[in-house]
Amino acid sequence: SQQGEEDPQALSIQEGENATMNCSYKTSINNLQWYRQNSGRGLVHLILIRSNEREKHSGRLRVTLDTSKKSSSLLITASRAADTASYFCATVKTGGGADGLTFGKGTHLIIQP
Amino acid sequence: DAGITQSPRYKITETGRQVTLMCHQTWSHSYMFWYRQDLGHGLRLIYYSAAADITDKGEVPDGYVVSRSKTENFPLTLESATRSQTSVYFCASGDPPRGGYTFGSGTRLTVV
Repeated sequence: SQQGEEDPQALSIQEGENATMNCSYKTSINNLQWYRQNSGRGLVHLILIRSNEREKHSGRLRVTLDTSKKSSSLLITASRAADTASYFCATVKTGGGADGLTFGKGTHLIIQP
Repeated sequence: DAGITQSPRYKITETGRQVTLMCHQTWSHSYMFWYRQDLGHGLRLIYYSAAADITDKGEVPDGYVVSRSKTENFPLTLESATRSQTSVYFCASGDPPRGGYTFGSGTRLTVV
């Protein structure tokens, strides 16, 4: 069963605007990760945030984590056409994640030029 | 996707045939995983392996077999392919919980 649920399922914005995607999950986690998938390609790891962290930045990406609400958000600032892709959150359960990541169904982001 | 290679990229097979999807990683990651991606279901874990000769079932293992005789290879075999196994299959490797996983480019499998 899916651990994470992304919201919205689809998002279309103009180039230069900020894009925010949300993720909710069900169980206690060790860390939460965000991945990008371009059409027809594999997933690319973007950022990892640990359960004891609240916010993390990487370039134009900002991730927040609220373990009390079991939710995370991914903000992409100053979006570009190349950011068009599907974005997935994935969780690693408490205990280390030896049994892999559990993915949400993703948010499909379209950046209009 | 440098460092993890899947083959073939595309495969069409008939119902009942055996087919093997290959995965090779050069990262020396301990863990390797097989996922399938389907519309409406997202990515689901089929099997995973913590080390050579150690494998475990994931969420949807029925109809699949894996082996890991060498750390760098993790083939996935469909012993008797069914139409419900038409999907995109992704191999991944990593060293949880230290960091993210690296994914291959995927194999698009069609069972007719």
